[in-house]
Amino acid sequence: DVKVTQSSRYLVKRTGEKVFLECVQDMDHENMFWYRQDPGLGLRLIYFSYDVKMKEKGDIPEGYSVSREKKERFSLILESASTNQTSMYLCASLDRGSQPQHFGDGTRLSIL
Amino acid sequence: GESVGLHLPTLSVQEGDNSIINCAYSNSASDYFIWYKQESGKGPQFIIDIRSNMDKRQGQRVTVLLNKTVKHLSLQIAATQPGDSAVYFCAEILSGGSYIPTFGRGTSLIVHP
Repeated sequence: DVKVTQSSRYLVKRTGEKVFLECVQDMDHENMFWYRQDPGLGLRLIYFSYDVKMKEKGDIPEGYSVSREKKERFSLILESASTNQTSMYLCASLDRGSQPQHFGDGTRLSIL
Repeated sequence: GESVGLHLPTLSVQEGDNSIINCAYSNSASDYFIWYKQESGKGPQFIIDIRSNMDKRQGQRVTVLLNKTVKHLSLQIAATQPGDSAVYFCAEILSGGSYIPTFGRGTSLIVHP
C-alpha cells in the first residue's frame, strides 16, 4: 500500500512566521500535490509537482511556495503566515499514468 | 473552470438502511470518476472508480452508477453501518487532458445505530 506521511497532524503558528509543512511518500510516485480543505469549499489545489525540482501553480498559490528536492518529499512553505491560512492541508501523490491519488492524513494548521 | 457538485450536503440514515450519495459533474468530456471517503481526522481514501465506458460498477457493499446523459454520478452503500459515517466526495478526471482531478465539495453521511 502507498503511504503518504505528513510530518505534523496539528500545528499552531503565529502571524508572520515562516511555516514548513512536510510530506513524504514511499512509492516512488512522480507526482505530488498540496491541497487545502475548508468547510464548504472542498479540496483546492495549491501547488503540484510532476518531478524533482519541478513545480506548477494550482488554483490558489498566493501566499505559498513549494520545494521538491527529492522525489519522495514535497514541502509546502508559508512565507509569512496569515490568519486566513488557517486550514486543513492535505498532501497527495500519484503515479505517472495511473489513478487515483493517495492522500496523507492532513495537517491541521492554525495561525494565531 | 469546471465544477463538480453534490446535491445533498448531509445525509442521515439508520444503520442497516441503504444510502445513496449523489454528484453532478459539469464537464461532459470527463471520462474517469472516483469516489473518496474521508473519516474524521483522516485523509481521503479511495473507495471505487468508474470509467465513462461503463454505467455501473460494484464493489463490496458499494455501487457506483454513472449517467452520462445527465452528467450524474451516484454512490450506493448497502446495509449502511456506523463505520460508514464520513464525508464522501466525488472527483472527475479528463484522462486525455490534465490528470488532476476536480473534486466535489462533499456529503456528510451520518449513520445512526
